[in-house]
Amino acid sequence: EVQLVQSGAEVKKPGESLKISCKGSGYKFTSNWIGWVRQMPGKGLEWMGIIYPGDSDTRYSPSLQGQVTISVDKSTSTAYLQWSSLKASDTAMYYCARAVAVNHFDIWGQGTMVTVSS
Amino acid sequence: AIQVTQSPSSLSASVGDRVTITCRASQDISNAVAWYQQKPGKPPKLLIYDASSLASGVPSRFSGTGSGTGFTLTISSLQPEDLATYYCQQFNSYPYTFGQGTKLENK
Repeated sequence: EVQLVQSGAEVKKPGESLKISCKGSGYKFTSNWIGWVRQMPGKGLEWMGIIYPGDSDTRYSPSLQGQVTISVDKSTSTAYLQWSSLKASDTAMYYCARAVAVNHFDIWGQGTMVTVSS
Repeated sequence: AIQVTQSPSSLSASVGDRVTITCRASQDISNAVAWYQQKPGKPPKLLIYDASSLASGVPSRFSGTGSGTGFTLTISSLQPEDLATYYCQQFNSYPYTFGQGTKLENK
């Protein structure tokens, strides 16, 4: 079964760092781009960025460039989304998703809820 | 960046109704549009890709049309399990923007 399994919910304080993960299984991980999508509480979907595990080619949304880092570990079939200094406005559900032919996301992770509060 | 404007933002409909949701892109994006359904507390689910191709396992009452700048998602006969929020997404150029979403509610 093709699936993406994300790490668990996180509660952090402003200024702290965080790295969440998305592990792929059931397919050749290096052959499909993996995207990250943010959904703030009660709001819509926001495309954050995308990475190609084969060569780590990464693209970011201009609105988020510099705020987050997307990376991948091919050896463990895992993609990561990380922050060096969290803000309260980073409170959201974060989804990873597999891109097929870079024209749709066919498989989604279950989501990781990140709460940033003092 | 390409802007994607989705309408309406909410829609009330009854079981059996034909429902249409529209997305407009700020520039020509060929057929690079996908549609998703999201239910509360769940990740989005792919319905349509390449503007009109039905994803595997998706009921045939869902269909997508359009090219260039205008796209529609149609549910031919609304079922109770279709009450959800729907999003379009363009894949023509980065960033791969989503529409604002359409919340489909029971009339």
